[in-house]
Amino acid sequence: NAGVMQNPRHLVRRRGQEARLRCSPMKGHSHVYWYRQLPEEGLKFMVYLQKENIIDESGMPKERFSAEFPKEGPSILRIQQVVRGDSAAYFCASSPTTGTSEDFGPGTRLTVL
Amino acid sequence: SQELEQSPQSLIVQEGKNLTINCTSSKTLYGLYWYKQKYGEGLIFLMMLQKGGEEKSHEKITAKLDEKKQQSSLHITASQPSHAGIYLCGTRGTGNQFYFGTGTSLTVIP
Repeated sequence: NAGVMQNPRHLVRRRGQEARLRCSPMKGHSHVYWYRQLPEEGLKFMVYLQKENIIDESGMPKERFSAEFPKEGPSILRIQQVVRGDSAAYFCASSPTTGTSEDFGPGTRLTVL
Repeated sequence: SQELEQSPQSLIVQEGKNLTINCTSSKTLYGLYWYKQKYGEGLIFLMMLQKGGEEKSHEKITAKLDEKKQQSSLHITASQPSHAGIYLCGTRGTGNQFYFGTGTSLTVIP
């Protein structure tokens, strides 16, 4: 059983470009969470999704960031018009239900030049 | 919001030494998770504690949750280089947010 998969593992973008980060949850997991780890800071919750629904996006920046988890395919975290401050490691986690431990992906390291 | 403070922030120990990492919460914990993050990689789930006074062990790592459920400790016995990484405590707040501690970076010198 493959774990949570994220791609790309490393992503380089220039300021103003768009970044699309993908997350495939573990088989049988319908709950997906996105976290951001800024340099020298801890992991911060961004958004919690179930299939086709955003359940909690209280940790998402108000602008330029969006997330989706379609019926088919991976969850996508999209960052429009990236700025240098968006450079961070973005982790995806999944779980079969709420209240259980989450399995984490290896992360996508975004570097904005 | 839930705040989790970890201490120490970083730790450098000689191989074979024991060490303890602490995680203190501003609120009562209803489920405390310990994760390990290897440098440049994702998080690995270690243990989860729920009951006051609970203690769990896995190989050379023991985690405890105090009776008041506001503090947890992670103890590593006879540390090895493979134990090196960042240790994070975490808990789920009201709702769906998962809060992580500030992290403890562990270096084990062979």
